[in-house]
Amino acid sequence: DAKTTQPPSMDCAEGRAANLPCNHSTISGNEYVYWYRQIHSQGPQYIIHGLKNNETNEMASLIITEDRKSSTLILPHATLRDTAVYYCIVRVARRGNMLTFGGGTRLMVKP
Amino acid sequence: DTEVTQTPKHLVMGMTNKKSLKCEQHMGHRAMYWYKQKAKKPPELMFVYSYEKLSINESVPSRFSPECPNSSLLNLHLHALQPEDSALYLCASSQVPQGGSPLHFGNGTRLTVT
Repeated sequence: DAKTTQPPSMDCAEGRAANLPCNHSTISGNEYVYWYRQIHSQGPQYIIHGLKNNETNEMASLIITEDRKSSTLILPHATLRDTAVYYCIVRVARRGNMLTFGGGTRLMVKP
Repeated sequence: DTEVTQTPKHLVMGMTNKKSLKCEQHMGHRAMYWYKQKAKKPPELMFVYSYEKLSINESVPSRFSPECPNSSLLNLHLHALQPEDSALYLCASSQVPQGGSPLHFGNGTRLTVT
């Protein structure tokens, strides 16, 4: 699976959009980009995933660049409850669903 | 609330004790996973069960013994642990072992080995 690079920490004001970047410059054509988050004292929670096209669900939007070497997770209106560690993971779906977590980005949403 | 239930939430055990962690899901998922997470570190994969059979063991010491009695249950039997095994143990499940379906995690068992 391709390696990912994320900033270790970010701050965001409550009510504003949180844009979390992820670099995956070695991604191959059949690798998906997954985002999970882990709120303190809880297990990781699936947010969204995509291959090439931008994706949106009730939690977030995923923007993948045309060359697929980077992506951005967007939380459109961050709340204090979005404070968490956000993990960007790149993997080949057919190889198995287990995840290899990197360091992630610690997002702090401030009032 | 999570659809994957782990018990107990907290466990303190001595190095000579034998204990078990339990994980249960009723979503009809056929793949289940054990992860270990040390403080301020990302989760690390330990075991994968596919259709109730052990498919991946990430070179985990034999003092950790997984068991999948049926498609809804996953246990982790602990024996002769060391203090460095203290961690958050996370269970997860997915619809099938492959194909990209997301993992659903429980909130973990926080284990302290004294």
